[in-house]
Amino acid sequence: GAVVSQHPSWVICKSGTSVKIECRSLDFQATTMFWYRQFPKQSLMLMATSNEGSKATYEQGVEKDKFLINHASLTLSTLTVTSAHPEDSSFYICSASVDRGNSPLHFGNGTRLTVT
Amino acid sequence: GENVEQHPSTLSVQEGDSAVIKCTYSDSASNYFPWYKQELGKGPQLIIDIRSNVGEKKDQRIAVTLNKTAKHFSLHITETQPEDSAVYFCAASLFGASGGGADGLTFGKGTHLIIQP
Repeated sequence: GAVVSQHPSWVICKSGTSVKIECRSLDFQATTMFWYRQFPKQSLMLMATSNEGSKATYEQGVEKDKFLINHASLTLSTLTVTSAHPEDSSFYICSASVDRGNSPLHFGNGTRLTVT
Repeated sequence: GENVEQHPSTLSVQEGDSAVIKCTYSDSASNYFPWYKQELGKGPQLIIDIRSNVGEKKDQRIAVTLNKTAKHFSLHITETQPEDSAVYFCAASLFGASGGGADGLTFGKGTHLIIQP
């Protein structure tokens, strides 16, 4: 149980375009999902908390207009990287738990974004 | 806020030997300590976790120990196998409270475990 699916697993886009990444909880409902960013050989950095039916909460230093988050249903959150630039190239990972604050956090398999 | 230190950054052991990864945390209020295994190109996978009301937890070849007084916890892998090669992350948070659990997870910087055949 507690499977988190992420799509696509990798994407290459041109500078200036936008890219959407999907995160789904397959066998549970998640009112909250989390988006992380990971640079090569580094730890995970929390970008934002996605809340179903309300605005996302962004961590300090993360541009909300750059990284648009939509959590339209209890099983789907999307992250859109707008006007992508090469420095946005990274590994983006989403996560969710069955019971926020009371159950373990499970991660998707990540999306490798390369901006050319 | 919470700060988690993890050591070593790289650990190379012979197949069959044991591996130990250590983490320290700064916030004495933290009460939940998960360990994640991340293989190349994949997301982290939860392998074991421990809460502060327990000193040790074991699952087959994997065990985690916690010393609340010293604020450190360790991952022990016995009889290592090639498939154990990966990056391991420790984390700490405050479970069961508003803003706890997933919200409050602070990760260590990771340990690259290499199993030598």
